[in-house]
Amino acid sequence: AQSVTQLGSHVSVSEGALVLLRCNYSSSVPPYLFWYVQYPNQGLQLLLKYTTGATLVKGINGFEAEFKKSETSFHLTKPSAHMSDAAEYFCAVTSGEDSGYSTLTFGKGTMLLVSP
Amino acid sequence: GAGVSQSPSNKVTEKGKDVELRCDPISGHTALYWYRQSLGQGLEFLIYFQGNSAPDKSGLPSDRFSAERTGGSVSTLTIQRTQQEDSAVYLCASSLNVVGIRREQYFGPGTRLTVT
Repeated sequence: AQSVTQLGSHVSVSEGALVLLRCNYSSSVPPYLFWYVQYPNQGLQLLLKYTTGATLVKGINGFEAEFKKSETSFHLTKPSAHMSDAAEYFCAVTSGEDSGYSTLTFGKGTMLLVSP
Repeated sequence: GAGVSQSPSNKVTEKGKDVELRCDPISGHTALYWYRQSLGQGLEFLIYFQGNSAPDKSGLPSDRFSAERTGGSVSTLTIQRTQQEDSAVYLCASSLNVVGIRREQYFGPGTRLTVT
């Protein structure tokens, strides 16, 4: 079984400040990890993903995340927030095994609020 | 190319009526997923189709929910005798589930269902 915990349903930052959204996962098999972003009234857009290899992954819009197996974490960061980053962010995990089966298990989401 | 499309974008129905929600996946994607996004519940997996295999229906909340995928492409999610607790955004996603190919899921914009 897999699960994802996102700490903080809401995170508020000022424009230009560091963004840190926390994600911890639980998985009995090597995980694939994802961050998705959802803007109001839109579907989910993939920000970045970790599968194997380099543990620091870079995504779109200046976001990056680091897979830390020892901490079972995959926190999302961005050095400088923009107003356009205001959205809801979802961390998700799926099995990394090549079984062909890959339903995503999502965290409950973190709403990022950016103030001028 | 074209992304995942869903129709209708919004649906208001009376309690007790049946509704059908449609999903057109990305061409060539063999896997199709339905999720439900409700306030306070996050994103819940409903059903998964992979090629010609029997679907994984383990996430369907009751026997009022069913889905089919015709010709390995378009999918329809049907909710019979709708209840107010069925009000949610229903998201469809597709992916290229081939062993060795990373399986990020691409989401449609969703159908917002309101049961009055």
